[in-house]
Amino acid sequence: GQQLNQSPQSMFIQEGEDVSMNCTSSSIFNTWLWYKQDPGEGPVLLIALYKAGELTSNGRLTAQFGITRKDSFLNISASIPSDVGIYFCAGQSQGAQKLVFGQGTRLTINP
Amino acid sequence: AAGVIQSPRHLIKEKRETATLKCYPIPRHDTVYWYQQGPGQDPQFLISFYEKMQSDKGSIPDRFSAQQFSDYHSELNMSSLELGDSALYFCASSLRDYRYGYTFGSGTRLTVV
Repeated sequence: GQQLNQSPQSMFIQEGEDVSMNCTSSSIFNTWLWYKQDPGEGPVLLIALYKAGELTSNGRLTAQFGITRKDSFLNISASIPSDVGIYFCAGQSQGAQKLVFGQGTRLTINP
Repeated sequence: AAGVIQSPRHLIKEKRETATLKCYPIPRHDTVYWYQQGPGQDPQFLISFYEKMQSDKGSIPDRFSAQQFSDYHSELNMSSLELGDSALYFCASSLRDYRYGYTFGSGTRLTVV
């Protein structure tokens, strides 16, 4: 089945540092989504990307939809303590409604 | 703004018992999705419904069934529960054109003992 490879699996950074994570796939997706999940809660949508090459920002977050449609990255600038959590990429194929998730990146911030 | 409501938030069942999870989508959302997330895992798609009809099916065991009712709420029925069914179960909802929003609920934590 479709798989997304997300890296890194975990990150330990200092407050104020920038963060970068990415997802790659062997198959093409028409939509890339980035979610953040806090413990015991549902994923919350951060950024949605619908077009190859698209670069979208949401505050300190920036994400890009790769030109090949097989990858995406998420950057977080000037990290703050509330950025702690697990970040998931998710892809959606043409005509499909289900999401395929990456394995997640666990972000830990040292104050 | 109204969100996706799931009940119960926590559920403890014994092996071989049955469980029913409920999901109330955001008003006017006509599509409901169910996902299962094991400990330390990413969410895995189970099944989805559009206008009360099954629209897509993922890795849902035969012991599980789901349906969407006329008021668009959905129920996931799980029978002959196994220890491995312990997980977070998320419901999400959207309009048919998912680009207007694909929102997850807070989940039901099912523990099978």
